[in-house]
Amino acid sequence: EDKVVQSPLSLVVHEGDTVTLNCSYEVTNFRSLLWYKQEKKAPTFLFMLTSSGIEKKSGRLSSILDKKELSSILNITATQTGDSAIYLCAVVDGSSNTGKLIFGQGTTLQVKP
Amino acid sequence: GAGVSQSPSNKVTEKGKDVELRCDPISGHTALYWYRQSLGQGLEFLIYFQGNSAPDKSGLPSDRFSAERTGGSVSTLTIQRTQQEDSAVYLCASSSQGTAQPQHFGDGTRLSIL
Repeated sequence: EDKVVQSPLSLVVHEGDTVTLNCSYEVTNFRSLLWYKQEKKAPTFLFMLTSSGIEKKSGRLSSILDKKELSSILNITATQTGDSAIYLCAVVDGSSNTGKLIFGQGTTLQVKP
Repeated sequence: GAGVSQSPSNKVTEKGKDVELRCDPISGHTALYWYRQSLGQGLEFLIYFQGNSAPDKSGLPSDRFSAERTGGSVSTLTIQRTQQEDSAVYLCASSSQGTAQPQHFGDGTRLSIL
């Protein structure tokens, strides 16, 4: 059965710390991997990774995919309280043409002042 | 609108009643998805629409669940004879090209079954 596993499930840090969130997957027909940030309501899109070893960066956030290790990491540097959220990792299932997402459980990040 | 719009934002109903949830995707997006987020569980896929093609209903948990998409735009998810285990947040997402582009989510409908 296809699955996506995130670690840690929860994390508490202080402002200014750097965090690394992990995502590993076992998906038979991998197409791409996405990261989302979910605060109160809608998950908001962060990154879409298709190729291994190419880092994507947006401000203090960056992410990279390792297809050999079937994993991805999301880095957040100089964390701020506004980074507190649930970070979701999802893999696009390529077994059909639907592009449906298989989600991990999420990592809950709390950044303390 | 600029984003995916869902209504209602909250719905409380009694067990056994039918409910209808609505999703208005981003203009121009041909692919539309419904997911369910239950307490303590990740998001799970329910159903997928792409243009005029037959929908992929493989994620619907029971025959009490159905969905339609009229005119290639607005979609409604209907749950008949609701049960307490249907309580969850129902999220809708759309994308411009199916697998090649990221899905963008609405705020969801929080459904509570009493």
